[in-house]
Amino acid sequence: AQRVTQPEKLLSVFKGAPVELKCNYSYSGSPELFWYVQYSRQRLQLLLRHISRESIKGFTADLNKGETSFHLKKPFAQEEDSAMYYCALSSGANSKLTFGKGITLSVRP
Amino acid sequence: EPEVTQTPSHQVTQMGQEVILRCVPISNHLYFYWYRQILGQKVEFLVSFYNNEISEKSEIFDDQFSVERPDGSNFTLKIRSTKLEDSAMYFCASSVRGGGEQFFGPGTRLTVL
Repeated sequence: AQRVTQPEKLLSVFKGAPVELKCNYSYSGSPELFWYVQYSRQRLQLLLRHISRESIKGFTADLNKGETSFHLKKPFAQEEDSAMYYCALSSGANSKLTFGKGITLSVRP
Repeated sequence: EPEVTQTPSHQVTQMGQEVILRCVPISNHLYFYWYRQILGQKVEFLVSFYNNEISEKSEIFDDQFSVERPDGSNFTLKIRSTKLEDSAMYFCASSVRGGGEQFFGPGTRLTVL
C-alpha cells in the first residue's frame, strides 16, 4: 500500500525566513512524487514534481529514496506563499494520486 | 488556459436522495479522476477512468457510486442514495497521460442533511 505522511499541520514563519515542509512516503516500487498547492479560494494546482527537478516560485524538493522523503524547501518565504501544501505520490502504473493530509503555510509580514 | 470545470459548486441534498456531480475535463485529456475531501481530512482517491471504463477504484467507491462519460465531454459522478457521511468536497481531475500531472477542478461541496 502507498502512504504519504505530512507530520505537521501548520507552519507559521515571518517573511524572509526559510521554509521546509516535510513529506515522507511509503511505497515499495518507484514512486513519482508531487507537491500540490491550494491558495485561498483557488483550486489545487501542481507546484512541482520530482522528475522535473526544477525550482518553481523559489521552491525546490529533492527525492531522498534512502529516507523516503520529499521535503519542500524555500530559502526566503514570501507572503504570497501562504497556502495549503499537499504532498502526493503516484505509482505511475495506475496513476492515482495518494495525498498527505496537507500543511498550512502562513507567512507573516 | 484550459481548465477543468465542475458544476454545481455547492449541492445540498436530503439523505437517501440521488445526486449527480458534473465535470468537464480539459478537452485533449484522456484520464479522468474523482477525489473527495471530508472537512479536515486528506484528499482521497475515489476512481479513475480511461478509455470509457473504470481503471481503478478505492474501497470508498462502493455500489452506491458510479461514473459515466455520457457524451465525450462531460464526466459525471453519481451517488445513488446519499448518506450523511458522503458530505465532502468532491474534486474532478484530468490528465493527458496516466501518472502525469493531474489538473483539478474547483470542486463541488456536497452537503447531505
